[in-house]
Formats: sequence, structure tokens, C-alpha cells
Amino acid sequence: NAGVTQTPKFQVLKTGQSMTLQCAQDMNHNSMYWYRQDPGMGLRLIYYSASEGTTDKGEVPNGYNVSRLNKREFSLRLESAAPSQTSVYFCASTGTIDGWGYTFGSGTRLTVV
Amino acid sequence: DAKTTQPPSMDCAEGRAANLPCNHSTISGNEYVYWYRQIHSQGPQYIIHGLKNNETNEMASLIITEDRKSSTLILPHATLRDTAVYYCIVRGNQGGKLIFGQGTELSVKP
Repeated sequence: NAGVTQTPKFQVLKTGQSMTLQCAQDMNHNSMYWYRQDPGMGLRLIYYSASEGTTDKGEVPNGYNVSRLNKREFSLRLESAAPSQTSVYFCASTGTIDGWGYTFGSGTRLTVV
Repeated sequence: DAKTTQPPSMDCAEGRAANLPCNHSTISGNEYVYWYRQIHSQGPQYIIHGLKNNETNEMASLIITEDRKSSTLILPHATLRDTAVYYCIVRGNQGGKLIFGQGTELSVKP
């Protein structure tokens, strides 16, 4: 089925470890986004890519890096994980400039101990 | 993008209409009102959007006041599966980021 696929679904890291969260969409969407959601909070934008080859910072970019590998894939990297990065991470994509066409993945639940 | 204000939580009886308010007093003329919902830690799901006219689709209705400073999302016959956090977002229609606030946690009770 068409959609946004995130891997892994769950991950436990030790403080200081690094990892990359993967996101892929098969809807030929131009724009892709990474959000984080802490318990009881709304989603906060980390980074986004308006089109292939471009990336921009969102609301909370510190401690993260991103790569728009191609039109389908947008990865989020934690270079040195901290307990404050314990969160649920959502990837999203849209093929329009409107605010209604966003499709979200099912999330990656990350715990940093 | 204009800021929105929503009540943190609301209850609704199953089968009744759920009316979720949103204030956006600083909305500008080219900004749309979008509604998304998030069911129990899943990714958010688009519901409906509008500029100035009332809108209706298979999921909900959106009523925007004439001065556009507030709006109401209406779920006409709420079911238990409508229990979710509902986000009201105001944004221009020229691209850019979708910024979520705190939303309203709607609990539909039997």
C-alpha cells in the first residue's frame, strides 16, 4: 500500500550512541518532514525538505542532522544521543504546497538511557 | 502563520455531535484553517480545511465565522473511534511548514 514507511519502529540507545532513522515514501511527493512528539505534547518540527536536494531547519533542529537521499528517502541522524531526545519521531510527506495533503508514517519510538 | 488557541480537552457522548472550537484572532487574509487528528500515538490524519466558506466532507464539517477569527470543527455523530487529539492549524497556502499546537483531546464516551 502507498504511504510513508519508517524504520525502525522501536529503538533503545545508550547516551552518546549514534543512529539514523529512515523514512521512505512511494507517493512521488516533493516535500518531506521530520517531527518529534514528547509525551502529552503536540508535534514539533525538527527538519524538513521542501524538494529533493534542499533541507531546512524547523522548530527544534539542535542535535539532529538530515539527508534527503533522493526523492523517496529522507533520513534523520542523531550523532550523539541524549536522554532529552527520548521521543516518538514521525516522518511525513506531501505532494502539494497546501496544508492538507500530509501523509504521516506510523512513528519510531526512541528511548535514550 | 497565525497562532491558534484550543481547549485542552472535551468530552462528548457517543452518537451526539462533537463541536471543537478554535480561536485564531490574528489570521490573515490568505491563511487557511486546517484540521488534523491523531488517534492514540498514530501519525496525524488530515480531516478538513477551509478559507472563508463553510466546508463539509465525509468526516466532518468546518464552520468559519464571518470575521474568520474563530472556527468550529463538527463531527456530526461521534463514535468511540473518534476519540483522539484534534489539531487546528492556520497556515498560508503558499508552501512551508505545518506547525502543530497542543490540540484538543476529545474523549467520546458510551
